Amino acid sequence: SQKIEQNSEALNIQEGKTATLTCNYTNYSPAYLQWYRQDPGRGPVFLLLIRENEKEKRKERLKVTFDTTLKQSLFHITASQPADSATYLCALNTGTASKLTFGTGTRLQVTL
Amino acid sequence: DTAVSQTPKYLVTQMGNDKSIKCEQNLGHDTMYWYKQDSKKFLKIMFSYNNKELIINETVPNRFSPKSPDKAHLNLHINSLELGDSAVYFCASSPPVADYNEQFFGPGTRLTVL
Repeated sequence: SQKIEQNSEALNIQEGKTATLTCNYTNYSPAYLQWYRQDPGRGPVFLLLIRENEKEKRKERLKVTFDTTLKQSLFHITASQPADSATYLCALNTGTASKLTFGTGTRLQVTL
Repeated sequence: DTAVSQTPKYLVTQMGNDKSIKCEQNLGHDTMYWYKQDSKKFLKIMFSYNNKELIINETVPNRFSPKSPDKAHLNLHINSLELGDSAVYFCASSPPVADYNEQFFGPGTRLTVL
């Protein structure tokens, strides 16, 4: 069966540390993968997209890796801040080019 | 300035009623979507329209009927509401498919069926 799993439902981390979130998938061959942030009571907000032929993408304090052999993406937030506390969702394109299938999400809590 | 807007934000109704949720985007995008996010926060695609044409139709009961009067609007009509329809419904839009670009989500409509 096809699955997209994010490593843990919740992740607690101290301010200033690097948060690493994992997205694993089975039985998909996505052309690209995206990461979104969702705050309580709001819609998801796009953060980064990485294509199947890209190993790594960076944007400010964010870094995403994509390993199509391991079928895994890692999402890193360096120098994490309390404002980074949110739920992070990975999404794979599956089927048609515009169709996204979302992972289960990881709730990140950054404490002082 | 709102990019993707939905109305209403909250909808509380009785089982068996029919209700509609409206969505509008002012980004000039060709593709629009409806997603359902359940109580476990799992976000699942329901429908997608590209230039008013249905291109994605997941396994959704036919009580749910999307309508796209023009490419800036995608409404969702739900007939004979059931308790299991309670969820947050998100509308989204994205630029042309070939760009593999991000999706822009609306603020969501929390539907509660009593």
